Amino acid sequence: GAVVSQHPSWVICKSGTSVKIECRSLDFQATTMFWYRQFPKQSLMLMATSNEGSKATYEQGVEKDKFLINHASLTLSTLTVTSAHPEDSSFYICSARGVGEGEAFFGQGTRLTVV
Amino acid sequence: GESVGLHLPTLSVQEGDNSIINCAYSNSASDYFIWYKQESGKGPQFIIDIRSNMDKRQGQRVTVLLNKTVKHLSLQIAATQPGDSAVYFCAENVGTGRRALTFGSGTRLQVQP
Repeated sequence: GAVVSQHPSWVICKSGTSVKIECRSLDFQATTMFWYRQFPKQSLMLMATSNEGSKATYEQGVEKDKFLINHASLTLSTLTVTSAHPEDSSFYICSARGVGEGEAFFGQGTRLTVV
Repeated sequence: GESVGLHLPTLSVQEGDNSIINCAYSNSASDYFIWYKQESGKGPQFIIDIRSNMDKRQGQRVTVLLNKTVKHLSLQIAATQPGDSAVYFCAENVGTGRRALTFGSGTRLQVQP
């Protein structure tokens, strides 16, 4: 199946700094990518939909100025957590779907710990 | 808002037994459903999917059943193995226009040797 690669797989940063997470579709073009956040023992919650060449669409309650999304090419979307705080510590997962409405492919996730 | 939910948060089975994981969804407009397996510290892994024009689909050791009348989805795993231990999520696609998936709350499957 298609491969979605996410980097880094884990990161520890100091409170107040920014962290960038990359999501790449390795063998297909993804016009749309999705960013999810998952807290321990909870489900995946959609944060935003990343559209290539246009602004991301954020879910209600997600601060667009804090979670910056850039989707500059058909194979790369980035999520930047700005001015990170300990409450931003979570597991961030990206997803991509190819053409049509088939299955969504997920990255391996990024464990963010803000200290 | 509408959501996808699960009946059982944890399911413990003996190795070799069959497992059934259930999921209730509330959005009648959902037309595509996927079951994912998530191991600790990893992203979701696709297991099997089904479209709303079907009521059953089989894969290798897994079967998904869809009952649109009661808005219920189930995942059956035959001859459960220790490697099947993980959290299982159902996810739904509400239809055209919105391509993001909505995830259920998850069920942890524990396989006892």
